[in-house]
Amino acid sequence: GAVVSQHPSRVICKSGTSVKIECRSLDFQATTMFWYRQFPKQSLMLMATSNEGSKATYEQGVEKDKFLINHASLTLSTLTVTSAHPEDSSFYICSARAAGLAVTGELFFGEGSRLTVL
Amino acid sequence: QQQVKQSPQSLIVQKGGISIINCAYENTAFDYFPWYQQFPGKGPALLIAIRPDVSEKKEGRFTISFNKSAKQFSLHIMDSQPGDSATYFCAASGGETSGSRLTFGEGTQLTVNP
Repeated sequence: GAVVSQHPSRVICKSGTSVKIECRSLDFQATTMFWYRQFPKQSLMLMATSNEGSKATYEQGVEKDKFLINHASLTLSTLTVTSAHPEDSSFYICSARAAGLAVTGELFFGEGSRLTVL
Repeated sequence: QQQVKQSPQSLIVQKGGISIINCAYENTAFDYFPWYQQFPGKGPALLIAIRPDVSEKKEGRFTISFNKSAKQFSLHIMDSQPGDSATYFCAASGGETSGSRLTFGEGTQLTVNP
């Protein structure tokens, strides 16, 4: 199946700093990428949808100025957590939809990035 | 209307037994129903998926049963193995505005005892 790579897998940062997480589709072009947040023992919560070359669409309650999403190419989307605080500590997961698979709806998920803000 | 309700929250099964996880949805525009398996510290992996034009889909030990009129679908894991111990999420997507946005169930923590 298609591979989505996330980097870094784990990151620890100090409160007030910014952290960038990358999501890459390795063997396919992703027209749409989704960013999720998952707290321990909870389900995945969609944060935003990004389409290549356009602004991301954020879910209600997600601060767009805090969670900056860039989808500059068909294989790369980035999530930047700005001025991180301990409550931003979470597991962030991206998923990608391959161009041409819009009908099937199939999404491929990355391995996730564990952010810990001290 | 966008919710997907999943049960049970946790499930313990003996090795060789059948694990059954259920989901129910409200939005009749949903037309794609995948199940994901997630191990601790990892991203979800697609296990099996179904569309409403069939009532059942089987892949190896995993079977999805789909009841369109009841708006319910379930995952059956036959001959459950300790390696199946993970969290399972049902999901749904579809409709003109969804753009493959998945709505996830709350998850089921499956433990298969040896």
